[in-house]
Amino acid sequence: GNSVTQMEGPVTLSEEAFLTINCTYTATGYPSLFWYVQYPGEGLQLLLKATKADDKGSNKGFEATYRKETTSFHLEKGSVQVSDSAVYFCALAPGQAGTALIFGKGTTLSVSS
Amino acid sequence: NAGVTQTPKFQVLKTGQSMTLQCAQDMNHNSMYWYRQDPGMGLRLIYYSASEGTTDKGEVPNGYNVSRLNKREFSLRLESAAPSQTSVYFCASNPTGSITEAFFGQGTRLTVV
Repeated sequence: GNSVTQMEGPVTLSEEAFLTINCTYTATGYPSLFWYVQYPGEGLQLLLKATKADDKGSNKGFEATYRKETTSFHLEKGSVQVSDSAVYFCALAPGQAGTALIFGKGTTLSVSS
Repeated sequence: NAGVTQTPKFQVLKTGQSMTLQCAQDMNHNSMYWYRQDPGMGLRLIYYSASEGTTDKGEVPNGYNVSRLNKREFSLRLESAAPSQTSVYFCASNPTGSITEAFFGQGTRLTVV
């Protein structure tokens, strides 16, 4: 079946530190991959996406590369800010019409100044 | 841009009471979804509607019913609320099913006492 596994949190960093949040997936077919972000008290917002192997998604300084050989889509940012504190979700779209997005359990990031 | 609108934003119910969570989108999307978010569990799919006139069960459908009233609206009903249904509920939509990213509402925080 299809599933997403992401690293447990919380992740606590100082401002300007390097961030990696690991995400691996299991899927049949050719999925699309996403990172969503949820700020406190809000809904989920799309952060970035990649629709095929070796694609790199990027937005707001965050990057993730779709690695089919390792079934991974790790989120990285070179220098985090306090405003990046949020919950990050890795998600998979199975690629078959009529099916729903599958989410990981979320990773809470806390950045202190 | 309204996007996906959920009502109400907050609700407290007594055990055994019923209620309907409303969701509407103005993006002409075909597919709509209901998720629940619980600490440590991520987002779990309750029901989804791939297109107007169709609904399907997700991972945790027990205790819920849905209605795809028209292309815009997708409601979630709790017939007899239980404390285990205390959660944050999110409605989402996307244009063509699982191939593209989903757009989320702001959530409904439901407490069952």
